[in-house]
Amino acid sequence: DAGVTQSPTHLIKTRGQQVTLRCSPKSGHDTVSWYQQALGQGPQFIFQYYEEEERQRGNFPDRFSGHQFPNYSSELNVNALLLGDSALYLCASSLKGQGVWNEQFFGPGTRLTVL
Amino acid sequence: DQQVKQNSPSLSVQEGRISILNCDYTNSMFDYFLWYKKYPAEGPTFLISISSIKDKNEDGRFTVFLNKSAKHLSLHIVPSQPGDSAVYFCAARQGGSEKLVFGKGTKLTVNP
Repeated sequence: DAGVTQSPTHLIKTRGQQVTLRCSPKSGHDTVSWYQQALGQGPQFIFQYYEEEERQRGNFPDRFSGHQFPNYSSELNVNALLLGDSALYLCASSLKGQGVWNEQFFGPGTRLTVL
Repeated sequence: DQQVKQNSPSLSVQEGRISILNCDYTNSMFDYFLWYKKYPAEGPTFLISISSIKDKNEDGRFTVFLNKSAKHLSLHIVPSQPGDSAVYFCAARQGGSEKLVFGKGTKLTVNP
């Protein structure tokens, strides 16, 4: 049973460029959340997708956008990259309606470096 | 504004002894708390959780204690093993939301 997978593993971009990160959820999961983890910090919630719509959003600018496909996989897009966007981007998947807590399973992340 | 705080960046303990990791929070609307463990080059993995209506939850060697009046929770690992060496994140969520708010993490090193 494949867990959460993310691609690419590493990425180097320059300021002003655009980037797309990809995530495939754990088999059977229907919800994808994205987090940004800067160096020395804990993960910060960017947004969550369910039924191909953004359901919740954290405190991130509109430069951060996403998409969820009918097969539940998801993309995170970041436009006009800034040096401060350098971070580990984590994808987490879950299944709605599991009770008190829909456990989130994390992928290994994509390390983005902006030069 | 850091709503979840882990004030100890690192902790070192001897194998077989108890590890105690601490976490404080400021948002009284948080109703569910979780601990995640993270090894290098891997994503965080869920370890144990506790609802705000409880004060203790135990799972094998891991126990989480919640003190709501102090807005404090702690994770106890007994006995500690070298394989427990990792970064531990405390996280919280506000009722009905699936957004997790994480602390900065505590790096635990268990020495053989």
